[in-house]
Amino acid sequence: DQQVKQNSPSLSVQEGRISILNCDYTNSMFDYFLWYKKYPAEGPTFLISISSIKDKNEDGRFTVFLNKSAKHLSLHIVPSQPGDSAVYFCAASAVTQAGTALIFGKGTTLSVSS
Amino acid sequence: EAGVAQSPRYKIIEKRQSVAFWCNPISGHATLYWYQQILGQGPKLLIQFQNNGVVDDSQLPKDRFSAERLKGVDSTLKIQPAKLEDSAVYLCASSLGYEQFFGPGTRLTVL
Repeated sequence: DQQVKQNSPSLSVQEGRISILNCDYTNSMFDYFLWYKKYPAEGPTFLISISSIKDKNEDGRFTVFLNKSAKHLSLHIVPSQPGDSAVYFCAASAVTQAGTALIFGKGTTLSVSS
Repeated sequence: EAGVAQSPRYKIIEKRQSVAFWCNPISGHATLYWYQQILGQGPKLLIQFQNNGVVDDSQLPKDRFSAERLKGVDSTLKIQPAKLEDSAVYLCASSLGYEQFFGPGTRLTVL
């Protein structure tokens, strides 16, 4: 039972254009969402996050949008650069009695061509 | 600020052997996590520590996996005996809040 879904395994974009990565979730108890970026042979690196009380958060070229009614979030990268080529993971968190572990999607591989 | 350190980076063992991974979190981070990432999947939580106490180990295969966090700092994760399906990257992360900081991981191959 996947609680966080990234339905597009891969995305190819040209340099300078917009990249849009999508993520859906099923658990309405999630209250915080994060995007991580991962290069080969490295651990995931935090990119941007959003609280469930917001619908948008922006940091430079990266913007995350949250639609709670649709249980959907998206990461926009504008403009895309070749260095953005990596695997992007969507993750969700809920504070529960058991802790605050992240639930990850399977990832989307972004390829930005010059 | 130093990041999360993990060793070894790579390990190859045969099935039924034992293996141990080490993690040193970011200084001052009370919460430490071990995740397992199988090829093509996202990281999956194995165990979460708060200081040196276990908060969540519900997904840890306790018949073969064990973990400890000595003095609330370093942590070790052990697998004994290893199975073929344990081949994965084992990631350690630490945090103060929601944002978790990950180490480079240990890639385990079980033959």
